[in-house]
Amino acid sequence: ELKVEQNPLFLSMQEGKNYTIYCNYSTTSDRLYWYRQDPGKSLESLFVLLSNGAVKQEGRLMASLDTKARLSTLHITAAVHDLSATYFCAVDLTSGSRLTFGEGTQLTVNP
Amino acid sequence: ETGVTQSPTHLIKTRGQQVTLRCSSQSGHNTVSWYQQALGQGPQFIFQYYREEENGRGNFPPRFSGLQFPNYSSELNVNALELDDSALYLCARRMTGESYEQYFGPGTRLTVT
Repeated sequence: ELKVEQNPLFLSMQEGKNYTIYCNYSTTSDRLYWYRQDPGKSLESLFVLLSNGAVKQEGRLMASLDTKARLSTLHITAAVHDLSATYFCAVDLTSGSRLTFGEGTQLTVNP
Repeated sequence: ETGVTQSPTHLIKTRGQQVTLRCSSQSGHNTVSWYQQALGQGPQFIFQYYREEENGRGNFPPRFSGLQFPNYSSELNVNALELDDSALYLCARRMTGESYEQYFGPGTRLTVT
């Protein structure tokens, strides 16, 4: 059974600081997704990583994938309050339509 | 804008009742998946439909069932509602072609009392 673990589960950081969220998974996969969720809202797609060594960046967020280590990271650079949200990683073992999600990392960026 | 819509937005039902949730999207989305997200947890895969047939199911009982229609719309039906069915229900569409991108609708918040 595929297991996806994120850490930390809760992260409180100051504006301007850098931090990394980690996503470990138990079964080999070449497809790793990152989503953002604001309170009471749906999931917003951030990144889809499709191969070992893949790195994608959008604004202050950068995601990477190491399939050999079964690890993905979401790095936050110079955090701003607008980044406060819950971030989920998800792994797909099939054809892109059945995702197994981690528990989520609740990020709070304080002024 | 993901092009995926869901209805209703919110719903309150009583234990033992039945509910139907709906999902629709623009053409080209021929794979639809449904997820249940309990408060404070990550979404859990319920099942997936491809070309109007169920094509994978998660660890959910048979009282969770679905349909997909030729116009790409989809339904999630839940019979004999239980209190633990209270959750946000998300519909997700996968783009056709080589992209593995999967887009989620706004969700339906179901409360069972």
